[in-house]
Amino acid sequence: AQKVTQAQTEISVVEKEDVTLDCVYETRDTTYYLFWYKQPPSGELVFLIRRNSFDEQNEISGRYSWNFQKSTSSFNFTITASQVVDSAVYFCALSEARNQGGKLIFGQGTELSVKP
Amino acid sequence: EPEVTQTPSHQVTQMGQEVILRCVPISNHLYFYWYRQILGQKVEFLVSFYNNEISEKSEIFDDQFSVERPDGSNFTLKIRSTKLEDSAMYFCASSVGGGWDAFFGQGTRLTVV
Repeated sequence: AQKVTQAQTEISVVEKEDVTLDCVYETRDTTYYLFWYKQPPSGELVFLIRRNSFDEQNEISGRYSWNFQKSTSSFNFTITASQVVDSAVYFCALSEARNQGGKLIFGQGTELSVKP
Repeated sequence: EPEVTQTPSHQVTQMGQEVILRCVPISNHLYFYWYRQILGQKVEFLVSFYNNEISEKSEIFDDQFSVERPDGSNFTLKIRSTKLEDSAMYFCASSVGGGWDAFFGQGTRLTVV
């Protein structure tokens, strides 16, 4: 069964703190893709990153970094030195390669609130 | 930067009425999707569309729903007879290929009264 779990429903931090958003996935496929999306208060879904299951290298993009660990089926997202503009709901998602249509299975989302 | 555009941004309709939600995917993308998000909940897959046919659909996508690519640029979602529980944000998305980066439109908020 394919499933994405984001156990943290809400996180609140003070500006400049580092914060990690957890994502755990379940899949029987050996080839799959993992995604993170940001949904700011305005409501749109903003693509942040895509990783495939064969690439376990961690990725860093500015203040954002992602830690992919197949051994624990996790794809965690860290924001360093958080800012108020990072306040949003963040969704982790999974797509299985056998599903050639590219369907995304989303987690429940983590609402991040960054206070000044 | 290319983007997925959706119209209208907000639609209010009476229960039992038909609605058509419109999307213009990114021009070189081949895969198109509809998702919905009931207020405060997670994003749910409805349907994927490739090569002018449905690739996959979820249990939510019953006979009341249909999709169409009428003219090579637009991608539409039709709900034939809306119910109160159809009230949600509907997102269109597109990607170059299945499993590739999927880019979402800004959404259409559908309110059924």
